[in-house]
Amino acid sequence: GAGVSQSPRYKVAKRGQDVALRCDPISGHVSLFWYQQALGQGPEFLTYFQNEAQLDKSGLPSDRFFAERPEGSVSTLKIQRTQQEDSAVYLCASSLGRWRGNQPQHFGDGTRLSIL
Amino acid sequence: SQQGEEDPQALSIQEGENATMNCSYKTSINNLQWYRQNSGRGLVHLILIRSNEREKHSGRLRVTLDTSKKSSSLLITASRAADTASYFCATDADSNYQLIWGAGTKLIIKP
Repeated sequence: GAGVSQSPRYKVAKRGQDVALRCDPISGHVSLFWYQQALGQGPEFLTYFQNEAQLDKSGLPSDRFFAERPEGSVSTLKIQRTQQEDSAVYLCASSLGRWRGNQPQHFGDGTRLSIL
Repeated sequence: SQQGEEDPQALSIQEGENATMNCSYKTSINNLQWYRQNSGRGLVHLILIRSNEREKHSGRLRVTLDTSKKSSSLLITASRAADTASYFCATDADSNYQLIWGAGTKLIIKP
């Protein structure tokens, strides 16, 4: 199917390591979002891309978190010097047009990150 | 930060019964969306209701919105085992690109 694809599905890293999480949005989707979801909680917004432009990164918890979408399609979320509190599920979502709040978001199945 | 609160946090009912979940939010909105999340999976969009709408239907789903009370409800009629999932409401904020999510209602349908 042509849904949102995230890789890897599971990632285990030692504290202090860098990790990179990948998102392949639905082809042609302009908007791309990254969320962090703790167990038993709703998603927390991290950042938003409109094509290649990162228009909102206000949800990134620290300067250890960095996201990019250089060609307006695939996006990577990078976490440097990981800490235990970074353990969570990281979800990527895309939507068709520029974000105006009135469109559905299409989600990948997420990457479950565990920091030991 | 999360603006929405779902109520109840967990709900367990028999197959065939109706399930009602509620969502309250804090600030004015343009749109409210409901999503379903099966365990270990991503979220799936169910329905969107605009702030000038009071009720919307989609199959076995009925959503209401009361902007004066800043609340919404999701009704699933004639529940099935496959409806077992967590359900989240999400609202848009006027001035940025974020959807604000509640903590969800965990629904269990007993066969």
